[in-house]
Amino acid sequence: EVQLVESGGGLVQPGGSLRLSCAASGFTFSTYEMNWVRQAPGKGLEWVSYISSSGSTIHYADSVKGRFTISRDNAKNSLYLQMNSLRAEDTAVYYCARDYEHRDYFDYWGQGTLVTVSS
Amino acid sequence: DIQMTQSPSSVSASVGDRVTITCRASRSANNWLAWYQQKPGKAPKLLIYAASSLLTGVPSRFSGSKSGTDFTLTITSLQPEDFATYYCQQADSFPLTFGGGTKVEIK
Repeated sequence: EVQLVESGGGLVQPGGSLRLSCAASGFTFSTYEMNWVRQAPGKGLEWVSYISSSGSTIHYADSVKGRFTISRDNAKNSLYLQMNSLRAEDTAVYYCARDYEHRDYFDYWGQGTLVTVSS
Repeated sequence: DIQMTQSPSSVSASVGDRVTITCRASRSANNWLAWYQQKPGKAPKLLIYAASSLLTGVPSRFSGSKSGTDFTLTITSLQPEDFATYYCQQADSFPLTFGGGTKVEIK
């Protein structure tokens, strides 16, 4: 059974940092592209970042470029999102999501981890 | 960037009704479009990909179509479990973008 489990969310002050993790199981993690997608409270979905299966290709939304860094450790079946210079508008539930058939649709999602940026 | 404009933002419908949701892309997204269903407090669920391909296990009352840069999700004979929020997403190019969502509510 495919499982994605996020962790690392919490309350952080504006300007602070946080590192999210996503533990994958039930599939060959090293062969799948992965993404982070977020959802602010009561709002719609926003794609945040993409990483290829090898980690060699990365993309970011303009809203997080230069502040967030996506990475992965295929030996540990884990995906990460390092978030720096956090702003109030980064407050959201962050989901990790697996690419479907290498086409940038998302067929499996984690349960999400809430990041709250507030003083 | 490809902007996705989704309409309506909400729709009230009854069990058994036919519901149509539209997403308009700001430029060609080819056929690289997906539809998701999200229920409160849950992660989204992929329903349709490549504009009209139904994911295995998704009921056949869901269907997708494309006309030019307009994409449509149709739910025929709405069921109680279909009351949810639906999102489109283009996968043609980065940045990947979602429509604003359509909440399907009980009339």
